[in-house]
Amino acid sequence: AAGVIQSPRHLIKEKRETATLKCYPIPRHDTVYWYQQGPGQDPQFLISFYEKMQSDKGSIPDRFSAQQFSDYHSELNMSSLELGDSALYFCASSFLTDTQYFGPGTRLTVL
Amino acid sequence: TQLLEQSPQFLSIQEGENLTVYCNSSSVFSSLQWYRQEPGEGPVLLVTVVTGGEVKKLKRLTFQFGDARKDSSLHITAAQPGDTGLYLCAGVSGTYKYIFGTGTRLKVLA
Repeated sequence: AAGVIQSPRHLIKEKRETATLKCYPIPRHDTVYWYQQGPGQDPQFLISFYEKMQSDKGSIPDRFSAQQFSDYHSELNMSSLELGDSALYFCASSFLTDTQYFGPGTRLTVL
Repeated sequence: TQLLEQSPQFLSIQEGENLTVYCNSSSVFSSLQWYRQEPGEGPVLLVTVVTGGEVKKLKRLTFQFGDARKDSSLHITAAQPGDTGLYLCAGVSGTYKYIFGTGTRLKVLA
């Protein structure tokens, strides 16, 4: 069965640079969620989209923005990167139910 | 602030032993999910429980949702080294964002 696809899997950036993370949900899933997981921490909700509209917002910094496109894929844009932004970023998708299916994650390292 | 407390936080057991992980909250959840996560990988869904008092069994894993839908437990029978990982519970309340539990790191020794 198709799963959530995230790209890139690994990303290394310098401070103050920008980064774009991409998420391709499971086919027919209409809701996408973004999470940030720091070392040794549980995932923290950032933002979600339902049918291309922002549906909920968590602890997402103002330097970050995201959107969902007509094909339901989503992109998380991160600007003015800081050392503290180094983390695993997960995308999850769902359809009709509460259950979210997670992608493999993007490991972002900010130097 | 809604919180999901998991216990124990760390667990190291011998192969063949049984164990139970608890996920507790003071809040009511419309559903609760259990995930297992390997280092550097995304959480993999194990089960979703929706109905208060519900019990689901998946091979050696037994999941229970509390009657009041505020807590859940995961019981593993005859643990194997392949069960090693981080176990996370996640609850949904009101809006559709997850609240993750604090996690239980399980290590099963051969």
